[in-house]
Amino acid sequence: EADIYQTPRYLVIGTGKKITLECSQTMGHDKMYWYQQDPGMELHLIHYSYGVNSTEKGDLSSESTVSRIRTEHFPLTLESARPSHTSQYLCASSEQGPVYGYTFGSGTRLTVV
Amino acid sequence: TQLLEQSPQFLSIQEGENLTVYCNSSSVFSSLQWYRQEPGEGPVLLVTVVTGGEVKKLKRLTFQFGDARKDSSLHITAAQPGDTGLYLCAGYPSTSYGKLTFGQGTILTVHP
Repeated sequence: EADIYQTPRYLVIGTGKKITLECSQTMGHDKMYWYQQDPGMELHLIHYSYGVNSTEKGDLSSESTVSRIRTEHFPLTLESARPSHTSQYLCASSEQGPVYGYTFGSGTRLTVV
Repeated sequence: TQLLEQSPQFLSIQEGENLTVYCNSSSVFSSLQWYRQEPGEGPVLLVTVVTGGEVKKLKRLTFQFGDARKDSSLHITAAQPGDTGLYLCAGYPSTSYGKLTFGQGTILTVHP
């Protein structure tokens, strides 16, 4: 049973629209992450957070922004979507420490037309 | 440059065959993890190995962490179509507990 929820699962929008991808977790994890992934390809870290009011950019340059006002909630916003943003976006969370893995959401498949 | 190199990138085999996927690095890791991802879903953690030389078994899957904690392998015995998916290794570099470093993945297809 998933403890981390992403909505929507699928989204098709027009170029220039503003969108927010939602991610919520019920595990009380301080650490949360956003990854971008094309089908069958490697994960690219775009944002991460180590706690409330803490956000950092990841390894892949992204035009998106994130916020972390509550522990359980880590939304990602694209101010002006472009076709190059078409991808799958995965949210994850984890506990602190090297023995803990990530729990991933089911992802949001975004298509910008 | 990729900190964690996975090989092979693609693997297509028949049901019943054995296979091994490798995850290599020149860096030392505090732990290594393996994930499996099915199409349209997020990766799911299979195992975490922490001690150099550690071997863990999960049914037909055997995971090994190298003695020097720089590499790992995943061996599947008698593969089944249900094993099809993207396999990702990931590790916490010993110099930083911050976030996982992921390999580029191995796409496994098991044909009936």
